[in-house]
Amino acid sequence: QKEVEQNSGPLSVPEGAIASLNCTYSDRGSQSFFWYRQYSGKSPELIMFIYSNGDKEDGRFTAQLNKASQYVSLLIRDSQPSDSATYLCAVNMGERGSTLGRLYFGRGTQLTVWP
Amino acid sequence: DVKVTQSSRYLVKRTGEKVFLECVQDMDHENMFWYRQDPGLGLRLIYFSYDVKMKEKGDIPEGYSVSREKKERFSLILESASTNQTSMYLCASSEGTSHEQFFGPGTRLTVL
Repeated sequence: QKEVEQNSGPLSVPEGAIASLNCTYSDRGSQSFFWYRQYSGKSPELIMFIYSNGDKEDGRFTAQLNKASQYVSLLIRDSQPSDSATYLCAVNMGERGSTLGRLYFGRGTQLTVWP
Repeated sequence: DVKVTQSSRYLVKRTGEKVFLECVQDMDHENMFWYRQDPGLGLRLIYFSYDVKMKEKGDIPEGYSVSREKKERFSLILESASTNQTSMYLCASSEGTSHEQFFGPGTRLTVL
């Protein structure tokens, strides 16, 4: 059974704080990891992705991977009210070398940043 | 700019009707996907396709079928709509060897 687990939240942080979002995945051989942001009533939009070879920083966002614990996190520094959304973690757990591109999604963590 | 479009933003149908949801992408992507999203259940994969005329079942294919006659278009068909198919339907596409998926705006389907 291939699973991606996220804490549904809600996670509530004050403006300017660091928001930390986490997910765990079941397939040890997973190679790529994605974070999507979804505003209420809108479709998911990709904000970051990383491969199994390392972490990535992009502006206020940092994605980190802990392969041993099968755990991926998204840190949002200097959180803004406009960051308030649901964050979906997605993992590619296809067969090794698969080109089918299927992603397994977590159920999402709702983040609220209050002024 | 990447673009995935869906035929309707809102749709209301009656139980037993045959329903067609259309998705078109203009990025020449090989892979296309249909999901439904329900509160508390997250995104669930219905069907996906990695090439024209090819299709693979996702996690919840029952009650649905798909058609991909052209590379840019992927249709989801509800053969006989039921009230439990009331949901938000999201289409996505990705390039052949990439797993980065781009989503359309979604279709909110209500079956009465």
